Amino acid sequence: QQQVKQSPQSLIVQKGGISIINCAYENTAFDYFPWYQQFPGKGPALLIAIRPDVSEKKEGRFTISFNKSAKQFSLHIMDSQPGDSATYFCAASFSYGGSQGNLIFGKGTKLSVKP
Amino acid sequence: GAVVSQHPSWVICKSGTSVKIECRSLDFQATTMFWYRQFPKQSLMLMATSNEGSKATYEQGVEKDKFLINHASLTLSTLTVTSAHPEDSSFYICSAPGGSNEKLFFGSGTQLSVL
Repeated sequence: QQQVKQSPQSLIVQKGGISIINCAYENTAFDYFPWYQQFPGKGPALLIAIRPDVSEKKEGRFTISFNKSAKQFSLHIMDSQPGDSATYFCAASFSYGGSQGNLIFGKGTKLSVKP
Repeated sequence: GAVVSQHPSWVICKSGTSVKIECRSLDFQATTMFWYRQFPKQSLMLMATSNEGSKATYEQGVEKDKFLINHASLTLSTLTVTSAHPEDSSFYICSAPGGSNEKLFFGSGTQLSVL
């Protein structure tokens, strides 16, 4: 199975709050887990990514938590801002020769941050 | 980061006509590019993998005669939707691995509307 399951489908958070989006995968051969941010009418932009050899990665207000045994990973957005309102996709892939290959995407989470 | 330029950003065409979408890697060479399709409020679905100098690899269920892919140079891949029909209306996005760590970068997408 190459599915990546993402939840919730939509999320409303107050400004300053923490946004949490969860993903679960089935194929233990996946070894690259990125998160993408997409604004309407635009292509996805890489936000942050993690490999299975670490349990957490933080970049600014964005943190990925990775649980290899549970085959789950999540995105935490601290101090959420209205400008963070977008659709977020988790993804997974097999890397080969240093490249990420094609990505299996989750269904996306539409985040709305209320002022 | 690496830049992937996609053109046009939107196109409207009549049913039965063909539409060409270009994907360029602006500051790096890409021997491989990926083409995705995204329906409204849905995730990205990989259509095909474009390989420079060789035939593209299509995902199951994607008609290779309808979605023609040409990867004639290390910086350009094109997707031609032949004899377009209204059901082909969708958001098409290309991507390419680039940069020193081979992360996947996306174009800004092309919104195709077939009347």
